[in-house]
Amino acid sequence: NAGVTQTPKFQVLKTGQSMTLQCAQDMNHEYMSWYRQDPGMGLRLIHYSVGAGITDQGEVPNGYNVSRSTTEDFPLRLLSAAPSQTSVYFCASSYERHVNTGELFFGEGSRLTVL
Amino acid sequence: GIQVEQSPPDLILQEGANSTLRCNFSDSVNNLQWFHQNPWGQLINLFYIPSGTKQNGRLSATTVATERYSLLYISSSQTTDSGVYFCAAARSGNTPLVFGKGTRLSVIA
Repeated sequence: NAGVTQTPKFQVLKTGQSMTLQCAQDMNHEYMSWYRQDPGMGLRLIHYSVGAGITDQGEVPNGYNVSRSTTEDFPLRLLSAAPSQTSVYFCASSYERHVNTGELFFGEGSRLTVL
Repeated sequence: GIQVEQSPPDLILQEGANSTLRCNFSDSVNNLQWFHQNPWGQLINLFYIPSGTKQNGRLSATTVATERYSLLYISSSQTTDSGVYFCAAARSGNTPLVFGKGTRLSVIA
């Protein structure tokens, strides 16, 4: 049982490049989400999903795209990277389908730098 | 949306001391969780505590939902307790967890 697995752990991009951060969980969790963490800002929700085929926007969705084709995977796509997207990204999942009732478990994070 | 405020923002303790971290939230909640982010950046779920009191070893937490606050107690602190402690809350209905900005704890030997 690996929990929540994120790849890559580190990535450097040039402005305008695109990339995908991968997130996979093996706990059969319904709910998955992406957060970004910036200094002094806590964690801010980007996108979330309450099940396969269902996604919704969080607090800071602009510049990011998601899809949920399987229960296990929830990739985050940066369409055209900007320096403002330099951050640490965390994927999190929960067994409970309803976003506000379950314990949240986090991956180890992906540190992204956009030059 | 719901506002989550944590205090103090920074805390320095001698090893063996006790501490209390506070989390205030602006609305009634269905979900309240405490997390510890260690110096390597890993986020660990400490407590799921929308109401009541829970204990896990040297850590305990109490949420008084009617007064809209939660407290995290750390007793006999150790250097491994260092890191950032986050509180996160969500209102009733289908609203996601909102995180506070954290309390940075440094425990020195």
